[in-house]
Amino acid sequence: NAGVTQTPKFQVLKTGQSMTLQCAQDMNHNSMYWYRQDPGMGLRLIYYSASEGTTDKGEVPNGYNVSRLNKREFSLRLESAAPSQTSVYFCASSRHGTGELFFGEGSRLTVL
Amino acid sequence: ELKVEQNPLFLSMQEGKNYTIYCNYSTTSDRLYWYRQDPGKSLESLFVLLSNGAVKQEGRLMASLDTKARLSTLHITAAVHDLSATYFCAVDLTDSWGKLQFGAGTQVVVTP
Repeated sequence: NAGVTQTPKFQVLKTGQSMTLQCAQDMNHNSMYWYRQDPGMGLRLIYYSASEGTTDKGEVPNGYNVSRLNKREFSLRLESAAPSQTSVYFCASSRHGTGELFFGEGSRLTVL
Repeated sequence: ELKVEQNPLFLSMQEGKNYTIYCNYSTTSDRLYWYRQDPGKSLESLFVLLSNGAVKQEGRLMASLDTKARLSTLHITAAVHDLSATYFCAVDLTDSWGKLQFGAGTQVVVTP
């Protein structure tokens, strides 16, 4: 049972490059989320998708875009990476009507 | 704006002793979550507290929620080395489940 799977696990980019983080869940959850984790700041919500076909901004959406491809998949795209986007990114999902999140293993991104 | 504050941010524990982590939040909510994160790993759900007075226990960990005081506590009984990790509390931002506001985390180190 894979749960929430993220790829890639590690990535190094140069400033201005673009990339997409992929996330897939096999728990039949309706809601999916992208968080970033920075030292001393906990996790901050970037974007979320309450259900297939819907997306909405979280606390720190600037510089990111998302796509809810289907019920299983939710991708995060950085169009023009900046050093401030160096972080660990976590994808998560939850069942309908609950805020308990199930997290992926994380993607560590470094922007030089 | 919902703010979530944890204290302490670092806790050095002696094996066998009892300790408490505090989580205060700034606006009304009756949904609070505790997560554990091991170094370099993902976040694991520990407790989901969904009402005033809720108390959950699992092994040496016990979490409680006082919504009137906007306070949750995570109590550790007779600490053991395996409990070394970072513990996060999180509160739902709005009526939309899963849009969590995280505290900064409490790093726990348990030594003999």
